[in-house]
Amino acid sequence: AQSVAQPEDQVNVAEGNPLTVKCTYSVSGNPYLFWYVQYPNRGLQFLLKYITGDNLVKGSYGFEAEFNKSQTSFHLKKPSALVSDSALYFCAVRVAGGGNKLTFGTGTQLKVEL
Amino acid sequence: GAVVSQHPSRVICKSGTSVKIECRSLDFQATTMFWYRQFPKKSLMLMATSNEGSKATYEQGVEKDKFLINHASLTLSTLTVTSAHPEDSSFYICSAARVSGTGTGNYGYTFGSGTRLTVV
Repeated sequence: AQSVAQPEDQVNVAEGNPLTVKCTYSVSGNPYLFWYVQYPNRGLQFLLKYITGDNLVKGSYGFEAEFNKSQTSFHLKKPSALVSDSALYFCAVRVAGGGNKLTFGTGTQLKVEL
Repeated sequence: GAVVSQHPSRVICKSGTSVKIECRSLDFQATTMFWYRQFPKKSLMLMATSNEGSKATYEQGVEKDKFLINHASLTLSTLTVTSAHPEDSSFYICSAARVSGTGTGNYGYTFGSGTRLTVV
């Protein structure tokens, strides 16, 4: 069975500082990895995904994530955080050839302060 | 880009009544739609997967007679919460699957904006 772990319930960072939101996964095949962001009372917005190829994936709003197969991680990063980045972030995985269902992590609340 | 319209965004209903939530893919055909339930500050729990023209596949522990899912066309899926009770109050989100290009890696997901259901 596939699973995703987001070890931090909340991450606090000062505006202008780099941010990292952690994600590790466990799958039995090749993973397709996703990051989504959710603002209060809204659906999920796509940020980026890793399918294959370059391990560093660049996405929307200046976010990027690095796929690390040996550490089974897919941490989300941004060089300089904005207050408007404050939201709930979800990592998700889908296994190639394992159906189309996404498995989500428990979410990490990012708070960016002035 | 791909857009999924979900409505209503917010609904309050009396205990014992039924509520229908609609999810439409506006500019693409979604052969598969997913319905999730989200509790406060919690992750998304997949309730069921619906494929156009066939019966929905429910996750373990989800009552299929209570959460009726219909996917009658390639652009519309509905979730009906029957005989709603206060414990059904939650945030429900749909997601439509789409394929862009060839290869399974081009499989993407577009989410609706969610429905806040409050049962009083």
